[in-house]
Amino acid sequence: DADVTQTPRNRITKTGKRIMLECSQTKGHDRMYWYRQDPGLGLQLIYYSFDVKDINKGEISDGYSVSRQAQAKFSLSLESAIPNQTALYFCATRPRTSGGAPGWQHEQFFGPGTRLTVL
Amino acid sequence: QKEVEQNSGPLSVPEGAIASLNCTYSDRGSQSFFWYRQYSGKSPELIMSIYSNGDKEDGRFTAQLNKASQYVSLLIRDSQPSDSATYLCAVPNTGNQFYFGTGTSLTVIP
Repeated sequence: DADVTQTPRNRITKTGKRIMLECSQTKGHDRMYWYRQDPGLGLQLIYYSFDVKDINKGEISDGYSVSRQAQAKFSLSLESAIPNQTALYFCATRPRTSGGAPGWQHEQFFGPGTRLTVL
Repeated sequence: QKEVEQNSGPLSVPEGAIASLNCTYSDRGSQSFFWYRQYSGKSPELIMSIYSNGDKEDGRFTAQLNKASQYVSLLIRDSQPSDSATYLCAVPNTGNQFYFGTGTSLTVIP
């Protein structure tokens, strides 16, 4: 099945360490997104990319960077992790068009999430 | 003003009752609206999408959209304990950024 995968699924690290979270998809979607989720705060957009050369900051990009290595891969990095970056991180994809329907009609498809704890 | 706002709840309803979840959005140019269900620690999964004013029904779920009032709602009929989850309203803006509400926690009491 075409899918969205995230690695690692769980990570515990220490303050100041560099961390990379990876997202891969076999859906063939152009658009990819990174979110973090804190209890009671919903999903907050960190970065999004509409193709390999188009990367954009979201609501809460400070302290994060991304790399779109290929259409299918979108990585999120925390250059120097801090405890308030402890959260559940989700990658999502969305097609530009699919099945003849325009892109704006399509939902996002989510990976299983990465639980990150920064001590 | 947040892009998307939901009542955070929690909302409790007895089994078999109707659960009503509400969402407002700020971007008048938004064309599509999505409801996701999320179980604790899991990823969001799509329940309903709606694009036109009015009601859209899918099984026990009905989405309602009023673009003039910038309001979208989700009704769950004959609520079941398995419906207990957090429901997220998602609205892409004209820049194709998806914005999510904070979610409404629903508990269906057997």
